Amino acid sequence: QSVLTQPPSASGTPGQRVTISCSGSSSNIGSNYVYWYQQLPGTAPKLLIYRNNQRPSGVPDRFSGSKSGTSASLAISGLRSEDEADYYCAAWDDSLSASFGGGTKLTVL
Amino acid sequence: QVQLVESGGGLVKPGGSLRLSCAASGFTFSDYYMSWIRQAPGKGLEWVSYISSSGSTIYYADSVKGRFTISRDNAKNSLYLQMNSLRAEDTAVYYCARVRWELPNFDYWGQGTLVTVSS
Repeated sequence: QSVLTQPPSASGTPGQRVTISCSGSSSNIGSNYVYWYQQLPGTAPKLLIYRNNQRPSGVPDRFSGSKSGTSASLAISGLRSEDEADYYCAAWDDSLSASFGGGTKLTVL
Repeated sequence: QVQLVESGGGLVKPGGSLRLSCAASGFTFSDYYMSWIRQAPGKGLEWVSYISSSGSTIYYADSVKGRFTISRDNAKNSLYLQMNSLRAEDTAVYYCARVRWELPNFDYWGQGTLVTVSS
C-alpha cells in the first residue's frame, strides 16, 4: 500500500487533456514539494515535474503540475500516442522517507 | 553527458548477500546527493536509500533498514548498495539516481540492475 494514492489507470484520445491525481497527507504533500515521473515501457523513469510545477529543460509544456493542500495533479494537454506510459507522483515525508504513488497507467485510445 | 551505470545484480538465495555498484560520469560526483530506488517486477517504484554528497547523512526505507548499507567513494565516482539478509520481496530492478537539491528530486537515473532472490 503506497503512502501516496493515485488512480491505477487513466485514458484519453489524441489531442485530449487528461489529469492524474495524487493524494497524500499533511506529512508529505501537505508540507513538501511534489514530483512527477514518466516511465515508458521497458525504460528507466524520467523526471517530468519537480517542485510541484516546474518542468526540467526538454519536457514539453504540454505537461503541467499543480498542488493544493494534500493533493497534487499532473495534467497532460494535447495528448499524443507517445505519452502512453506509467506516471508516478513522489514526495518527501517528514518521517524522513521518500514516497512514491502506486503509479497510473495512461492509455492513449 | 550524465551517465549512471549499475552493476552487480544477479540471482541470490534467500538470506544471501549482494553488492550493487553504480558508476557515475559526466558530472562532478562529489557535489551530488545520490539514491537507490527499486521496482519489483510489474510493480511500482519504491525508494530504498539516500546518501549525502560527503556520506555524512544517510536515510533508509523501513523495509531495508538494518539489512542494506549505502555508501559512496567520491574518488572512484561510485555509489554502492550492500544488501544482506536478502528476502524474496527484495527481488526488483535497482536503479541508482542523482538527487538534484532535495529528495525525491531524481534528475538522472541509471538503466537498472536486476536482483532476483530465489532458492
